Amino acid sequence: AQKITQTQPGMFVQEKEAVTLDCTYDTSDPSYGLFWYKQPSSGEMIFLIYQGSYDQQNATEGRYSLNFQKARKSANLVISASQLGDSAMYFCAMREKAGNQFYFGTGTSLTVIP
Amino acid sequence: EAGVAQSPRYKIIEKRQSVAFWCNPISGHATLYWYQQILGQGPKLLIQFQNNGVVDDSQLPKDRFSAERLKGVDSTLKIQPAKLEDSAVYLCASSLDGDSHNEQFFGPGTRLTVL
Repeated sequence: AQKITQTQPGMFVQEKEAVTLDCTYDTSDPSYGLFWYKQPSSGEMIFLIYQGSYDQQNATEGRYSLNFQKARKSANLVISASQLGDSAMYFCAMREKAGNQFYFGTGTSLTVIP
Repeated sequence: EAGVAQSPRYKIIEKRQSVAFWCNPISGHATLYWYQQILGQGPKLLIQFQNNGVVDDSQLPKDRFSAERLKGVDSTLKIQPAKLEDSAVYLCASSLDGDSHNEQFFGPGTRLTVL
């Protein structure tokens, strides 16, 4: 079974609008971390936001927030007030405490339309 | 703070040739990862080091790929001999340790083209 599933290969959003990128995960480890990374066309992977499995509140970092629904095993990324520079690939990832490996999803390509 | 350094940034070789990539992680980061990212896909872990020991190399094609991390700092990833399907970006990343809350910091990657 896939550890991380991103079902949206591509998304479009109007500039200044909000957009939600979906991510579901699969683990039996009670302790894990969820991460979102941005990969612009230049290729570097940029860390955006982190959510721990025991965190009670949804993580927020500036215009990024994580809609964490533990029972549904989902960790959707919400980008508010989209900017042209947000156009990139976005990857959801998970790290289990046991094993230490990072699992990445297949990514979502986001295009912000002026 | 300096980021993760990788070299070369680009490499073009012919199939059956050998190639090596170098990575210098962020100072103090005990855990180092090598990923292969094929165009249009997410990164796939090849090998993970904790200091100079291998934690996970289950997805490393050991018949042609090898990696080492001398003295628990720099690391090299080698492919010998290369195949056409090895064309990809090879990403190196590091994190403080193996704790689940520590994010990975990525280098700029090495784009390998095998002709």
